[in-house]
Amino acid sequence: EVQLVESGGGLVQPGRSLRLSCTTSGFTFGDYAMTWFRQAPGKGLEWVGFIRSKPYGGTAEYAASVKGRFTISRDDSKSIAYLQMNSLRAEDTAVYYCIRGGEFDVYDIWGQGTMVTVSS
Amino acid sequence: QAVVTQEPSLTVSPGGTVTLTCGSNTGAVTSGHYPYWFQQKPGQAPRTLIYDTSNKHSWTPARFSGSLLGGKAALTLSGAQPEDEAEYYCLLSYSGPRVFGGGTKLTVL
Repeated sequence: EVQLVESGGGLVQPGRSLRLSCTTSGFTFGDYAMTWFRQAPGKGLEWVGFIRSKPYGGTAEYAASVKGRFTISRDDSKSIAYLQMNSLRAEDTAVYYCIRGGEFDVYDIWGQGTMVTVSS
Repeated sequence: QAVVTQEPSLTVSPGGTVTLTCGSNTGAVTSGHYPYWFQQKPGQAPRTLIYDTSNKHSWTPARFSGSLLGGKAALTLSGAQPEDEAEYYCLLSYSGPRVFGGGTKLTVL
């Protein structure tokens, strides 16, 4: 069974950093792109970015709202995708979801999400 | 950045049919936007219903179908069930960035 579990969320002060993890199981992680979406409280979904699989370069693309502050990476040996979030702002407060897929891979399985609250 | 538009809310009767649409301010939505549809129920993570305009996952109920209609992506629900009451989001690809619509709150009443 394919599973994605996000972790690492919590309360953080503005300007600080946080790293989220998406721990996966049940499939060959290295064969897939991985994507992060987010959802602010009571709001709609927002695409954050994705990372390609190594055969496609392993590079990442980002939404304009997070480019230069957020970095997506992957550890294929551990089947984990990461979202490093720096210079956090109040508007980054959201539930962050990882999802299998992106670019050439179909979005299918979602994680349950992890809440990030940016507040002093 | 492109803006993707959806109806804010729709209501359908049990057993009825309803079509949700997804438009783009850049022009007609085409298969090249690889339209997706996601369903989200209160307190739950979203799930993917439709990908690449009209393709279904194994868990997608047969009563949901996707298409292109009048320059927009469309999600049609035929034979609505009470459990279909949810928020529905579309997602379009723009040669790099992916943009969500604001969501449609579907009420089955």
